Amino acid sequence: EAGVTQFPSHSVIEKGQTVTLRCDPISGHDNLYWYRRVMGKEIKFLLHFVKESKQDESGMPNNRFLAERTGGTYSTLKVQPAELEDSGVYFCASSQEEGLGGYTFGSGTRLTVV
Amino acid sequence: GQNIDQPTEMTATEGAIVQINCTYQTSGFNGLFWYQQHAGEAPTFLSYNVLDGLEEKGRFSSFLSRSKGYSYLLLKELQMKDSASYLCAGLDSNYQLIWGAGTKLIIKP
Repeated sequence: EAGVTQFPSHSVIEKGQTVTLRCDPISGHDNLYWYRRVMGKEIKFLLHFVKESKQDESGMPNNRFLAERTGGTYSTLKVQPAELEDSGVYFCASSQEEGLGGYTFGSGTRLTVV
Repeated sequence: GQNIDQPTEMTATEGAIVQINCTYQTSGFNGLFWYQQHAGEAPTFLSYNVLDGLEEKGRFSSFLSRSKGYSYLLLKELQMKDSASYLCAGLDSNYQLIWGAGTKLIIKP
């Protein structure tokens, strides 16, 4: 089975620009999660989709971040406008059942804001 | 607050055994995960413990003590390819993963 795919793998943008990250979960996985790791710190939860609905978005840092999952398939995470502190690695993960077994992670998108 | 603590870095010798400890404090508890992450790659699932005791899976074992808020990952017969970061993550009552900063394991010949 194909894994979780994230695109792009790297992105370098200027402060104030917009960037959209994409995540394709494993087919059939209703649960999709976004995480972020900044400046070598621990990975932090951003939000959780169940199908197309936002189950929990308590980790979203501010309103410059917008996540969508239209049709309950792939998800996008848009940062607009990007700030320097948004630099980091953005991971997406999916699971078949919430909280059970393992979460399958994508390889991440390394975002650098300059 | 919620917190996961694990050592920043450990060094071990090829062929030896190493134990990576993790202590956790989460709001509620729905299990403890260990992930392996090589530089620039996705975290890879290693183990999931929700009950007390030792879970063995090949060269890797994971232990959980819920009363102590403690877990460890045991790696036996270390190989050079085991050099990686090992992430401890607790699953809280909202099924959110609370992550430690990771332990960088360096294997020497």
